[in-house]
Amino acid sequence: GQQVMQIPQYQHVQEGEDFTTYCNSSTTLSNIQWYKQRPGGHPVFLIQLVKSGEVKKQKRLTFQFGEAKKNSSLHITATQTTDVGTYFCAGPEGGSEKLVFGKGMKLTVNP
Amino acid sequence: DADVTQTPRNRITKTGKRIMLECSQTKGHDRMYWYRQDPGLGLRLIYYSFDVKDINKGEISDGYSVSRQAQAKFSLSLESAIPNQTALYFCATSDWVQGGETQYFGPGTRLLVL
Repeated sequence: GQQVMQIPQYQHVQEGEDFTTYCNSSTTLSNIQWYKQRPGGHPVFLIQLVKSGEVKKQKRLTFQFGEAKKNSSLHITATQTTDVGTYFCAGPEGGSEKLVFGKGMKLTVNP
Repeated sequence: DADVTQTPRNRITKTGKRIMLECSQTKGHDRMYWYRQDPGLGLRLIYYSFDVKDINKGEISDGYSVSRQAQAKFSLSLESAIPNQTALYFCATSDWVQGGETQYFGPGTRLLVL
């Protein structure tokens, strides 16, 4: 079945640093979504990308959908302690269109 | 989201006991899901339902059963709980529109099986 893989699984950064995390799908996706789960919380929808090469920004977060619509990236500029949490990407499974989630990327920030 | 509620929020039970986790939503969504989350394993799908008459197994359905009592209610049961079912359980709903769905998660239920 369809697989969605996230790398790295864990990321530890110093406050103020930039970093990028990646999401790769085994199949071409009609769209890709990102969710964030704060420590002790539940996953919350952040954004959806639909078009090939699409780039969207939310403050210091930049999301990009790959040209082939099989991968995506999340870039965080000047990481803050409020960015701490686990970030999941998800893509729709062919047919049912239900989401298939990656295993998540857990971000910790050293103040 | 407050529109998706889960009860109980925390539960401690003993091996062999039957337990039910409940999920209710006021979003009017047809699709509902049950996931479990374990450290390092992400969100694993247990069961999902696309409408009241539709129930589907996910990747880890063994040891679990579900009931979709109404559009707004989706319950998860552990018929005979075992310690490796200790986990964080999330219910989610989604609105499917042309182009895909977005999922909305409940606050989660922490289950400890002794």
